[in-house]
Amino acid sequence: QKEVEQDPGPLSVPEGAIVSLNCTYSNSAFQYFMWYRQYSRKGPELLMYTYSSGNKEDGRFTAQVDKSSKYISLFIRDSQPSDSATYLCAMSAYGNNRLAFGKGNQVVVIP
Amino acid sequence: ETGVTQSPTHLIKTRGQQVTLRCSSQSGHNTVSWYQQALGQGPQFIFQYYREEENGRGNFPPRFSGLQFPNYSSELNVNALELDDSALYLCASSLELAGSYEQYFGPGTRLTVT
Repeated sequence: QKEVEQDPGPLSVPEGAIVSLNCTYSNSAFQYFMWYRQYSRKGPELLMYTYSSGNKEDGRFTAQVDKSSKYISLFIRDSQPSDSATYLCAMSAYGNNRLAFGKGNQVVVIP
Repeated sequence: ETGVTQSPTHLIKTRGQQVTLRCSSQSGHNTVSWYQQALGQGPQFIFQYYREEENGRGNFPPRFSGLQFPNYSSELNVNALELDDSALYLCASSLELAGSYEQYFGPGTRLTVT
């Protein structure tokens, strides 16, 4: 079983829709959770960072963590064509800066 | 404040050759991590450097090696290149070893091995 599972299936949504992405993980030591956005042929850009269960909101983005279920989510409200990118979940354990990534979800927002 | 920079942008090498990739960390950051991202996959951790010492290594063979310099810039060296080494190589910098898990990535170096 992989440490981090992220269904890589592409996702196409109309502009203005809510995008919902999620990852599951198996390593109970993971305490820190991140979402990165990666445009084609670019490096990942840190979007959201959280270390506790619950919700964290930043503008149109909401990150949700459920440690008891080992499940994290990212929601994008009022999606825009500029949100079209690959979204990667990443996580790490306390005292260890190694990031474990999911495979990424390619999101296309159609105008 | 300057972000993470990497050079070169693209590189084409032949199987068996050696390659050196370079990274300049974000201003004030003292930890550099290297990742390999194959097409359609998430980045895979290669190793991390903190204050010029290797601090943690992923599941990569010894022909992957690195250096960190006093100014916190870093190099990734790969010997005896194989076709499977073709990937985007990403460098990420962060502020300290523990306590800050926010890593900031550079644009990457795309390596093609033929």
